[in-house]
Amino acid sequence: DAGVTQSPTHLIKTRGQQVTLRCSPKSGHDTVSWYQQALGQGPQFIFQYYEEEERQRGNFPDRFSGHQFPNYSSELNVNALLLGDSALYLCATYTGSGTDTQYFGPGTRLTVL
Amino acid sequence: GENVEQHPSTLSVQEGDSAVIKCTYSDSASNYFPWYKQELGKRPQLIIDIRSNVGEKKDQRIAVTLNKTAKHFSLHITETQPEDSAVYFCAGAMDSSYKLIFGSGTRLLVRP
Repeated sequence: DAGVTQSPTHLIKTRGQQVTLRCSPKSGHDTVSWYQQALGQGPQFIFQYYEEEERQRGNFPDRFSGHQFPNYSSELNVNALLLGDSALYLCATYTGSGTDTQYFGPGTRLTVL
Repeated sequence: GENVEQHPSTLSVQEGDSAVIKCTYSDSASNYFPWYKQELGKRPQLIIDIRSNVGEKKDQRIAVTLNKTAKHFSLHITETQPEDSAVYFCAGAMDSSYKLIFGSGTRLLVRP
């Protein structure tokens, strides 16, 4: 959805480095989920933040961590980058309505060399 | 564990024909099933979703059916157009706020 923004658009890092990706939710949305989409695969859930706390987590190592700010924006941090971390990182935001759905941002393309 | 399987991986149809993509899920607690369309280099875009309290939902040329007993759901696109060409992903979740478990995707090609 056009209301969800992510930065940066593209990023190139080398193995062992650390990276921070950012997501600003659609207006009115208070929940942010992060997904990793490797080339040719479906998105895989990393974790979800609500009320500045991690509420759910997928099968990703502790190298992946996050944060949510009082304005509901969120960061994804990845430490000790591996070549296999190269992927499109998507955030999806949501509001607490039972009939709403998650809307994806444009993603950040991370390349690890 | 939680798993969503999607078939076929590729689908080629003639413009005007129908296309059907099928998914099965393993978690019986799943109650929300969205479908996303992803064009090359773009974000996944929600095209239709269905909740477990209904068996079918339709939006113009797109329809989704759900069989909770069999744990499978399908996307139907009628009167396909070249602009329907993209990768389509199904997903399942406990509800719309919960983590989405995605299928592996179907690359749809609509031949003019």
